[in-house]
Amino acid sequence: ELKVEQNPLFLSMQEGKNYTIYCNYSTTSDRLYWYRQDPGKSLESLFVLLSNGAVKQEGRLMASLDTKARLSTLHITAAVHDLSATYFCAVDIRFRGATNKLIFGTGTLLAVQP
Amino acid sequence: EAGVAQSPRYKIIEKRQSVAFWCNPISGHATLYWYQQILGQGPKLLIQFQNNGVVDDSQLPKDRFSAERLKGVDSTLKIQPAKLEDSAVYLCAPLGTGYVETQYFGPGTRLLVL
Repeated sequence: ELKVEQNPLFLSMQEGKNYTIYCNYSTTSDRLYWYRQDPGKSLESLFVLLSNGAVKQEGRLMASLDTKARLSTLHITAAVHDLSATYFCAVDIRFRGATNKLIFGTGTLLAVQP
Repeated sequence: EAGVAQSPRYKIIEKRQSVAFWCNPISGHATLYWYQQILGQGPKLLIQFQNNGVVDDSQLPKDRFSAERLKGVDSTLKIQPAKLEDSAVYLCAPLGTGYVETQYFGPGTRLLVL
């Protein structure tokens, strides 16, 4: 059974600190997405990682993908309160030859404290 | 980014009643998904459409859930009869057609089954 696991599930961190969220998956995939979800809101696309070694950065967030280790990371640099949200990784698995069937991780609830 | 409208935004029903949700993406998105997101979990794919046809409905509880896509644009998801465990947010996500295909999520319909 395909599993997409994130850790930690909950992360409380202080403003200005750095931290990393991990996303492990159990099947072959060369495409992975990161989404953000604010409380009571829908999901917002952050990054798509297309190949092994891919790295994307936007502001204080940087995502990377290691397809051989089946691992993606979302690194937070100098956290600010506005980054408080739930972050999901989603693995793209091929179904009937088509891409873009996403299996979502468990989510990481990030709370940045002043 | 795809524009997606969903209605209603909120719905409260009693178990064994029926309910329907609507998804209205802007035109031009051949692929469309419905997800179920239970509180505290990541979204789970229910059904994927390609134009009017179903690509994947392997996780749709077909004894009670049904979905259709009209003229390759709008879509409806129905539950009949509803169970308590159907309480969730139902998200519609058309697949964007940019350089990297990304699913863009609508605001969702929050369903509470009492």
